[in-house]
Amino acid sequence: SQQGEEDPQALSIQEGENATMNCSYKTSINNLQWYRQNSGRGLVHLILIRSNEREKHSGRLRVTLDTSKKSSSLLITASRAADTASYFCATPNTGNQFYFGTGTSLTVIP
Amino acid sequence: DAGVIQSPRHEVTEMGQEVTLRCKPISGHNSLFWYRQTMMRGLELLIYFNNNVPIDDSGMPEDRFSAKMPNASFSTLKIQPSEPRDSAVYFCASSWFSGTLYEQYFGPGTRLTVT
Repeated sequence: SQQGEEDPQALSIQEGENATMNCSYKTSINNLQWYRQNSGRGLVHLILIRSNEREKHSGRLRVTLDTSKKSSSLLITASRAADTASYFCATPNTGNQFYFGTGTSLTVIP
Repeated sequence: DAGVIQSPRHEVTEMGQEVTLRCKPISGHNSLFWYRQTMMRGLELLIYFNNNVPIDDSGMPEDRFSAKMPNASFSTLKIQPSEPRDSAVYFCASSWFSGTLYEQYFGPGTRLTVT
C-alpha cells in the first residue's frame, strides 16, 4: 500500500505555539499534498510539494519533504484556535488515485 | 463556482432500504472520486471516474455498492440493500487531471446512518 501515515495521531497545543506533524509513505512519488478537514466538513487542499523540492512555504505553513526517508512534515507556526482540525497527507500514484493517511487531529487551545 | 455539491447532506434509513447519494462536480473537472470515511478505517477510496468512465472500482466493498456517472456534471453512488455497517460519511471529490500535479476538491459529504 502507498498509504501515508501521519504522526502523531493527536496533538494538543496552546494558541501561539507551533504545531508539527509528520507523514511517512511507502513508494516513490512525484508530489505530496497536505489537506485539512474541519469537523463535519470535507477535506481542503493546503499545499503541494513536488518530489524535487525540499521545502515549501505558504503563509504560516511550512512543508518539508525528504524523499530518501520517504517522509514529510507540516509545520503550522503561531497556531490559532481556528487551526483546530484534522490534517492529512496524500500521495498520488502514477495514475489518478490519491492515498490519504490516517490523519493527525490537532487541537489548539485558546 | 459553487464547489462540489453533494446531496443529501444527511440520510437516515433502515437496513435493507436502497440509498442513493448524489454528486455534482466542479464544472470543467474531468475526474470524480467517491470516498467513504469512518473512524475505524479512515478515508477509503471507493471508485473514481475519468472523463465519465469508471477507472478503478476495486475499493467498492461489495456488489451492494454501485456508482454511475451518466455525464460530466452528475454522479450517483447507490447502496442496495443498505446495512448498518455502511454507516459512514461519504465524500465526493473532483479534480482536473492532466497527468500530474493536481489537487482534489471535496464536497461537504453525506452522513449516512443505517439503523
